[in-house]
Amino acid sequence: EAQVTQNPRYLITVTGKKLTVTCSQNMNHEYMSWYRQDPGLGLRQIYYSMNVEVTDKGDVPEGYKVSRKEKRNFPLILESPSPNQTSLYFCASSVSSGQGYEQYFGPGTRLTVT
Amino acid sequence: AQSVTQLGSHVSVSEGALVLLRCNYSSSVPPYLFWYVQYPNQGLQLLLKYTSAATLVKGINGFEAEFKKSETSFHLTKPSAHMSDAAEYFCAVSDRSNTGKLIFGQGTTLQVKP
Repeated sequence: EAQVTQNPRYLITVTGKKLTVTCSQNMNHEYMSWYRQDPGLGLRQIYYSMNVEVTDKGDVPEGYKVSRKEKRNFPLILESPSPNQTSLYFCASSVSSGQGYEQYFGPGTRLTVT
Repeated sequence: AQSVTQLGSHVSVSEGALVLLRCNYSSSVPPYLFWYVQYPNQGLQLLLKYTSAATLVKGINGFEAEFKKSETSFHLTKPSAHMSDAAEYFCAVSDRSNTGKLIFGQGTTLQVKP
């Protein structure tokens, strides 16, 4: 089954404790992206990757890191989480970064930073 | 800059009634537009997309949307609401900067009353 998986689905952590949210897709997609969802704001892009070893900042990259060492994986790293990073996070992938291509979303990771 | 506005953060309809979720976009060039649905505790699923072919787009689960350039709108409709349609709906436009980014509206929660 074609899908995007994320782990963990739920995470409660404390300020400053490094964490990684994993994202994997089995569709051989070139393009992957991370979004955060906050009430009343919709989804905002954090980072994106056009292909292996090619990543760039989205609209809200502060406090986050990513890597793309393999085509299927695109982990999101929070080196020193803060309470304002409490949010619902979605990973997405697409055949291409070109316009009009459908993005496939993972199930989401709900992160709480206390 | 492109933007999307969804009118009404909450919409409530009775089962069997017409569903109308409003979306207006701002774009200086013909846009690529999407509607996604998010069921509780799930990721986003594509309902339909407009990519400059037919202005009336049919999607899954009986939903459709009409692109109206003169009104810069892409409203989502369904003739008869079902209880299973209760979810959050997002309108999005493809960013023209070739980042692959989707620009999302704030979302509309649809409640269906029996």
